[in-house]
Amino acid sequence: GEQVEQRPPHLSVREGDSAFIICTYTDSATAYFYWYKQEPGAGLQLLMSVFSNVDRKEEQGLTVLLNKKDKRLSLNLTAAHPGDSAVYFCAVHTNAYKVIFGKGTHLHVLP
Amino acid sequence: AQTIHQWPVAEIKAVGSPLSLGCTIKGKSSPNLYWYWQATGGTLQQLFYSITVGQVESVVQLNLSASRPKDDQFILSTEKLLLSHSGFYLCAWSLTANSDYTFGSGTRLLVI
Repeated sequence: GEQVEQRPPHLSVREGDSAFIICTYTDSATAYFYWYKQEPGAGLQLLMSVFSNVDRKEEQGLTVLLNKKDKRLSLNLTAAHPGDSAVYFCAVHTNAYKVIFGKGTHLHVLP
Repeated sequence: AQTIHQWPVAEIKAVGSPLSLGCTIKGKSSPNLYWYWQATGGTLQQLFYSITVGQVESVVQLNLSASRPKDDQFILSTEKLLLSHSGFYLCAWSLTANSDYTFGSGTRLLVI
């Protein structure tokens, strides 16, 4: 079945710097990709969804890149601030009714 | 606007005791519903999904069961809790099979 690897597991950046998270997946037929943010003790907040025909998507300081050839999905937070500190998960829609998540990246933005 | 509500917010339960967690979606008819489990500090693992009332599909066996007694309600339960059931339980809904999932705020469960 589909495998999703996410790295790094932990990331510390200074306020104003960029934070880069990457996920790789195995099933080339995967069509939908997501990035979620989870703050301590809270549910998941959808940051961005990307369909497989999109290579790049930018919204509000977030850039998602999808490289289908290498089966790689990335998230770049530009100009991170302390409020961005959270756990970030990538997720892929493997088939109808099933979404697989990466193991998460604990992002810590230092003031 | 659609809202998703999970209850309770948190529970501390004894090993061997029963459990029932609830999830309600308002503002959307016939949503697809999902239960996820997250071990402390871990990733999310899909447990069940439901496309319609009375129908639930199991994804992972964790000695838990789920039911959908009403269109807007999804229940996760077990008759005997294990220590390994501790974690964070998240309910989610989606419009279609391949659309975004919207998650609830979760229920934190500690089994002692």
